Amino acid sequence: SQTIHQWPATLVQPVGSPLSLECTVEGTSNPNLYWYRQAAGRGLQLLFYSVGIGQISSEVPQNLSASRPQDRQFILSSKKLLLSDSGFYLCAWSVLRGYEQYFGPGTRLTVT
Amino acid sequence: QKEVEQNSGPLSVPEGAIASLNCTYSDRVSQSFFWYRQYSGKSPELIMSIYSNGDKEDGRFTAQLNKASQYVSLLIRDSQPSDSATYLCAVSKKTSYDKVIFGPGTSLSVIP
Repeated sequence: SQTIHQWPATLVQPVGSPLSLECTVEGTSNPNLYWYRQAAGRGLQLLFYSVGIGQISSEVPQNLSASRPQDRQFILSSKKLLLSDSGFYLCAWSVLRGYEQYFGPGTRLTVT
Repeated sequence: QKEVEQNSGPLSVPEGAIASLNCTYSDRVSQSFFWYRQYSGKSPELIMSIYSNGDKEDGRFTAQLNKASQYVSLLIRDSQPSDSATYLCAVSKKTSYDKVIFGPGTSLSVIP
């Protein structure tokens, strides 16, 4: 069966500090991978998606970036965090685009 | 007009009653429809997928799709306090990359 991992689970970072969140998927090959952000009490905002190694599409211009160095690894980064980057960051995978997405446990980021 | 709309709630139902959650979408050529459950502080969990008009039942859950009316609903029979959560409707938008759009969610509270 497929499993998706995210770490860390929680993170408190000062404004201006860098960020690196990691997501890995087990039990499947060449998954579609997604990064979402959910602000407190808000809906899911798609940040990035990837259909293969090194292929990243950005949905929203911002100070975040994503990379996919391996087939089942997806990384979300920032060089300098803003207060507005606080939120619940969710990684998801799907077999095919437009079909069921399965979410990881998430990382709760607080920027102070 | 938002692409996927849901009543924000909260929707309160007594234990044992039927909870009815509704969702409308704007893209007439949407193809795939999903319901997710999200407990407070947790990541979304897929509970139902529906692709064709009509009803689809899975245990206490029934998803109903009406493409002509651009409407999808989720019925929860014999509601339990453990069903108290936010329910997210998601729609696969027919674009070049089959983007999945999430609604803002409906908060459900089942009163013992």
